[in-house]
Amino acid sequence: GAVVSQHPSWVICKSGTSVKIECRSLDFQATTMFWYRQFPKQSLMLMATSNEGSKATYEQGVEKDKFLINHASLTLSTLTVTSAHPEDSSFYICSAGGKGQQPQHFGDGTRLSIL
Amino acid sequence: GENVEQHPSTLSVQEGDSAVIKCTYSDSASNYFPWYKQELGKRPQLIIDIRSNVGEKKDQRIAVTLNKTAKHFSLHITETQPEDSAVYFCAASKGITGGGNKLTFGTGTQLKVEL
Repeated sequence: GAVVSQHPSWVICKSGTSVKIECRSLDFQATTMFWYRQFPKQSLMLMATSNEGSKATYEQGVEKDKFLINHASLTLSTLTVTSAHPEDSSFYICSAGGKGQQPQHFGDGTRLSIL
Repeated sequence: GENVEQHPSTLSVQEGDSAVIKCTYSDSASNYFPWYKQELGKRPQLIIDIRSNVGEKKDQRIAVTLNKTAKHFSLHITETQPEDSAVYFCAASKGITGGGNKLTFGTGTQLKVEL
């Protein structure tokens, strides 16, 4: 089946640091990638949708200048959390969607802890 | 936008019993409804999905029913086993598979199967 690789799986860093998370589709071309955030014991909340070669579409309430998304190729999208603060600590999950009838495929997630 | 409600938030059943989780959606344009199983700290895993042109779908012990008129869909797990214990999320999308269309998730159901 389709594989989506997400790195790193765990990040602990100091407040004010910027953190980059990578999401790669390993065996298919992902025309669209989605970034979700999940707080403990809560649901997945969509942050933004990115299409290869174009600007990401952010959901209401998500700061685009704080959560920078780049989708430079059909196999790679990155999420950069700029100047991270403790309230940004969460589980970030990407998913990739290809063309045709295939559903989205999720990465393994990145647990971000800001001290 | 789409709003997906999910009930119950927690569900405890005895091993071998059936479990039913219900979701309602608000946007009549939604036409793809996947169900995900998520274990602690891991990515959501697609367990079954249904499209709006189908009323019911079954895969071994798991079945999903859809009532488009009432805008609700349900997950049915029969002969539950301890390994079924996890958080289950329903979702809705306007895309035919959700591959290129964003998913709106329900709030999740913590299922516990007791011996």
